[in-house]
Amino acid sequence: DQQVKQNSPSLSVQEGRISILNCDYTNSMFDYFLWYKKYPAEGPTFLISISSIKDKNEDGRFTVFLNKSAKHLSLHIVPSQPGDSAVYFCAASGFAGKLIFGQGTTLQVKP
Amino acid sequence: EPEVTQTPSHQVTQMGQEVILRCVPISNHLYFYWYRQILGQKVEFLVSFYNNEISEKSEIFDDQFSVERPDGSNFTLKIRSTKLEDSAMYFCASNSGLAGYNEQFFGPGTRLTVL
Repeated sequence: DQQVKQNSPSLSVQEGRISILNCDYTNSMFDYFLWYKKYPAEGPTFLISISSIKDKNEDGRFTVFLNKSAKHLSLHIVPSQPGDSAVYFCAASGFAGKLIFGQGTTLQVKP
Repeated sequence: EPEVTQTPSHQVTQMGQEVILRCVPISNHLYFYWYRQILGQKVEFLVSFYNNEISEKSEIFDDQFSVERPDGSNFTLKIRSTKLEDSAMYFCASNSGLAGYNEQFFGPGTRLTVL
């Protein structure tokens, strides 16, 4: 079951630069897309979400872009900070429904 | 800030034993979930719970699993007879159920080790 895929297992960027994390999905019935950040031995922490009726949502340094025709979403972090180093998961769902997670991308931000 | 709490943080059990994992969702939230993450794998949905009944469950959630909301605050996951392959991090999550708010907030997890 690969309905949500994150094809890059890892990403390394310099502090202050932009981090771009990508996610693809196959099910056009998904209504919501979310990004979570996770540290080892902790639960996922919600970052930002976007409804399928929008193509962009911004919250501080985090922006999520949704391209429905390509079934693709991305998370932009600008500027990246060392504290952003973590595993990032994208997830998709219908309203209040189960989340289907991607495999995660490990982001390392170098000082 | 309200948060989801889970106990215990780590549970070690023998194969075949019953375990109960406990969660206190965010107050006033209406939807509750259990997920698990086997080491090195993605986070997987187990079950969702709304209005005192299961609303959806995955194929993982077989007859060995059950959920309960015994009072107004706790939400539990019971595994009746644990198997080695049940070893994983188990996460509880809750959602407000308000229109336009689909975020699920996760607890810190319970690490279950089955020997």
